[in-house]
Amino acid sequence: AQSVAQPEDQVNVAEGNPLTVKCTYSVSGNPYLFWYVQYPNRGLQFLLKYITGDNLVKGSYGFEAEFNKSQTSFHLKKPSALVSDSALYFCAVRDRNDYKLSFGAGTTVTVRA
Amino acid sequence: DVKVTQSSRYLVKRTGEKVFLECVQDMDHENMFWYRQDPGLGLRLIYFSYDVKMKEKGDIPEGYSVSREKKERFSLILESASTNQTSMYLCASSLRWGTDTQYFGPGTRLTVL
Repeated sequence: AQSVAQPEDQVNVAEGNPLTVKCTYSVSGNPYLFWYVQYPNRGLQFLLKYITGDNLVKGSYGFEAEFNKSQTSFHLKKPSALVSDSALYFCAVRDRNDYKLSFGAGTTVTVRA
Repeated sequence: DVKVTQSSRYLVKRTGEKVFLECVQDMDHENMFWYRQDPGLGLRLIYFSYDVKMKEKGDIPEGYSVSREKKERFSLILESASTNQTSMYLCASSLRWGTDTQYFGPGTRLTVL
């Protein structure tokens, strides 16, 4: 079985401050990890993924995420948040030996000007 | 760019009606998926298809069926719509299994009265 936890329903930050969205996962084997973003009334947009190799993954719009195997975490980060980063963020995991992608419940990010 | 389109953005149906949700992808992807998105629950997989005429149940297939007669098109069918099927429905596709990213359509917000 595999699962994802996003412990914060909401994250509020001021524009220009660092942004972190937390994600922890559970899989029986080795994970593939993904971050998606959803803007209001839109589908999910792919941000970045970890497959193998360097634990720090860089993605779209200045976002990055760090894979930490010992803590089973894959937190999303952005050094300087923008108001336009306000959206719903989803973390997802797939066991390398499985077909199914499991999503977290999502974290709503609000960046205030 | 990958483009996944869904036939309707908003749909209102009555209890007991048969409902068809259509999804089309234009990148010759092998795999297609149907999810439903509910607040606080993230995305849950209803069905997926890894080839024409092939389908597998996801986590919540009850009350749904699917059809994939052509590679680019994947239909979700609600045989007899019920109010608890009111939700956002998201279609996704990916090139193949393995490391490939799933790309999402804009979603269909279905309301069953």
